[in-house]
Amino acid sequence: DQQVKQNSPSLSVQEGRISILNCDYTNSMFDYFLWYKKYPAEGPTFLISISSIKDKNEDGRFTVFLNKSAKHLSLHIVPSQPGDSAVYFCAASPARGGSEKLVFGKGMKLTVNP
Amino acid sequence: GAVVSQHPSRVICKSGTSVKIECRSLDFQATTMFWYRQFPKKSLMLMATSNEGSKATYEQGVEKDKFLINHASLTLSTLTVTSAHPEDSSFYICSARVSGEGYTFGSGTRLTVV
Repeated sequence: DQQVKQNSPSLSVQEGRISILNCDYTNSMFDYFLWYKKYPAEGPTFLISISSIKDKNEDGRFTVFLNKSAKHLSLHIVPSQPGDSAVYFCAASPARGGSEKLVFGKGMKLTVNP
Repeated sequence: GAVVSQHPSRVICKSGTSVKIECRSLDFQATTMFWYRQFPKKSLMLMATSNEGSKATYEQGVEKDKFLINHASLTLSTLTVTSAHPEDSSFYICSARVSGEGYTFGSGTRLTVV
């Protein structure tokens, strides 16, 4: 039972354009959501997070939107750069900053073409 | 930010032998560490949660006698894959929650059992 879903396995965009990565979740107990970036043979690197009390969080080129009623969140990267090419994981936790485990989606491979 | 150092980054072992993976928290104390496993093109699956000074909590389906976890100090957690078999070949990643900073991941260990 996949509680966090990233239904598109890959996305290819042109440098300078916007990249939109989507994530859906099924567990209404999730309260805190995170996006991680991962290169091959490396551990995930934290990108940005959002608490359920917000619907938007922005950090530089990265913005995460949360639609609680739809149980949907998205990561926007603009402008996209070739260095953004990686696998992006959406993750959720039932409590913000707690010791509860993270539940990850399957990841989406983003390719930004020069 | 907080760093989790994971070693080795890559290991090849013979079937039937045991392999130990170490994760150290640098400059912070990690009372809880999480161990994940990732198969190719799959999500990061939580294997177990290790707590300093107590027994690890294993996720359903994870053999605790095969994947031995020790968290003897606030800065070190180890995962030992005992009697490794080719199907244990995978990418193993540890993570610690850092107060005020969220989750920090190690760089991962690529295990190949031949």
